[in-house]
Amino acid sequence: NAGVTQTPKFQVLKTGQSMTLQCAQDMNHEYMSWYRQDPGMGLRLIHYSVGAGITDQGEVPNGYNVSRSTTEDFPLRLLSAAPSQTSVYFCASSYSKTASNYGYTFGSGTRLTVV
Amino acid sequence: SQQGEEDPQALSIQEGENATMNCSYKTSINNLQWYRQNSGRGLVHLILIRSNEREKHSGRLRVTLDTSKKSSSLLITASRAADTASYFCATNSGGSNYKLTFGKGTLLTVNP
Repeated sequence: NAGVTQTPKFQVLKTGQSMTLQCAQDMNHEYMSWYRQDPGMGLRLIHYSVGAGITDQGEVPNGYNVSRSTTEDFPLRLLSAAPSQTSVYFCASSYSKTASNYGYTFGSGTRLTVV
Repeated sequence: SQQGEEDPQALSIQEGENATMNCSYKTSINNLQWYRQNSGRGLVHLILIRSNEREKHSGRLRVTLDTSKKSSSLLITASRAADTASYFCATNSGGSNYKLTFGKGTLLTVNP
């Protein structure tokens, strides 16, 4: 089925380790983004991209890097994991530049624990 | 920073009753969207209302938008146990047509 695919679903890291969360969509969506969801905090935007080769920071970008080499993929890299990065991470995409017409499609999430 | 704030934080009703959730926001918006999240799952887009619209329907969902009060409401009629989930409002505002800012959500429990 078409949609947003995130891998892995679960991950445990040790403090200081690095890793990449994968996100891929097959809907030819221009816009992709990463959110983190913490209890009582709702969803907070980490990074986003409006097209291949273009990325920008969201509300909580520190400690994370992104790249967008293709329309389909938008990986999120944790450079040196910290316990504060324990969270559930969601990737989302949207079709149109005129985002007033379309909602976002979300992946099923990656639950990350940093010990 | 949070743009939308849902109210109440939690709501418990019986199957067949209507559920109303409210969302307030702070700045002018391009559109407002509602999402559902079942426990342990991703968010699912329910409905989008543009800033020049006042009411929108989709099946058992009814959304209203009052830009003068910077508020929106989501009404779920004839609720079912399967409607049990967290509901989030999200606003799209400012010069960017892309970024959504989410509230903290309302946890709806529908008791059979």
